[in-house]
Amino acid sequence: QSALTQPASVSGSPGQSITISCTGTSGDVGSYNLVSWYQQHPGKVPKLMIYEANKRPSGISTRFSGSKSGNTASLTISGLQAEDEAHYYCCSYVAGTTLVLFGGGTKVTVL
Amino acid sequence: QVQLVQSGGEVKKPGASVRVSCKASGYTFTSYGISWVRQAPGQGPEWVGWINTFNGDTNYAQKNQDRVTMTTDTSTRTAYMDLRSLTSDDTAVYYCARAAFPYHMDVWGKGTTVTVSS
Repeated sequence: QSALTQPASVSGSPGQSITISCTGTSGDVGSYNLVSWYQQHPGKVPKLMIYEANKRPSGISTRFSGSKSGNTASLTISGLQAEDEAHYYCCSYVAGTTLVLFGGGTKVTVL
Repeated sequence: QVQLVQSGGEVKKPGASVRVSCKASGYTFTSYGISWVRQAPGQGPEWVGWINTFNGDTNYAQKNQDRVTMTTDTSTRTAYMDLRSLTSDDTAVYYCARAAFPYHMDVWGKGTTVTVSS
């Protein structure tokens, strides 16, 4: 299977909202609400930000929200802050041998 | 607190094998599976596989399913990933992650760097 498709980069000014898309197929994102989003700062461990498309783990800021429509999932960061500058990866369940696919990642830059 | 402690970095020659361990603490080990994810330098994460720590069932990514074996030792709350016939393409940071389901990785280890070089 191919990786999920994300834009290479997204930028915004402090306080703005940005949205990162994650496009898959009817075999993965489109068929299941089992999309997760991970934040990774340089040299750090990935951190779960959103699971099951729109749920936030305990301790994750409400500024982060997720949604899904058809074959595309989205992560929205509202009230952008300097600490949000990182790479973000989407991840989806996919039926078959390889159960999990990641996106190629999106670098978020806070201007 | 929930913690996953991984073994130290490894340097291997092409064709060799490597074992990475992941010791869990702070939760009931057999209530969650363990996913293994690797990340090559400058690349995004790649899921390697998942083990059900309760019954030992495994699911491996198709790409490396012939070369990888995942096991656990419930007495020591440790998960292991073995990767054989290493090539330079296997050079990466290998992470273990607590995963009730293969796709739901909520706590991650700090990673183990595996370098394959002649």
